[in-house]
Amino acid sequence: DTGVSQNPRHKITKRGQNVTFRCDPISEHNRLYWYRQTLGQGPEFLTYFQNEAQLEKSRLLSDRFSAERPKGSFSTLEIQRTEQGDSAMYLCASRRGNGAYEQYFGPGTRLTVT
Amino acid sequence: AQSVTQPDIHITVSEGASLELRCNYSYGATPYLFWYVQSPGQGLQLLLKYFSGDTLVQGIKGFEAEFKRSQSSFNLRKPSVHWSDAAEYFCAAGDPGKYSGGGADGLTFGKGTHLIIQP
Repeated sequence: DTGVSQNPRHKITKRGQNVTFRCDPISEHNRLYWYRQTLGQGPEFLTYFQNEAQLEKSRLLSDRFSAERPKGSFSTLEIQRTEQGDSAMYLCASRRGNGAYEQYFGPGTRLTVT
Repeated sequence: AQSVTQPDIHITVSEGASLELRCNYSYGATPYLFWYVQSPGQGLQLLLKYFSGDTLVQGIKGFEAEFKRSQSSFNLRKPSVHWSDAAEYFCAAGDPGKYSGGGADGLTFGKGTHLIIQP
């Protein structure tokens, strides 16, 4: 396993701009998760894919947040019209299905909105 | 509502001393339980996990954790800490029903415990 990778590692943007982050899960992991982590807090679950199907959207923080996993491999998380409160670490995780319950996390993308 | 509580925000331990980090959960049923470690600027690394069976589980880097149903706890221990153990430690829980039923099995995390190692 080469591990979960995320790009970019850091992103600085101005308020009102759109940003997109990419996550490449461990190969053959069919489940993929996005979390947000703010300073001094644990990660907060946002959304989840099983293959290309997004099975949980209700935890996304607002309608400015959207995620895709078009071919069941990599995923993107987009934030439109960024706000300063969106500044956080965005973490991606993946796991195998079929009885393997542990999630493996990527290094995260640090977003700073100025 | 499901929740995970880590009562200690910071813990300072001398190098070579033993360590115990506390974790309590509030769930409808016994959740799956995990401990992760996060070093500065890094993602989370899985230390150990509990699903069922033996209540004392062994993990990587010499860590172990004990599940106590009566106390709704899953405390992390290490007999002798090293300076490289300084990091943020997170306890997390997952809903077994959602794992097996194909539901959204996102983890619920505690707020973390910051471990400081004194020389």
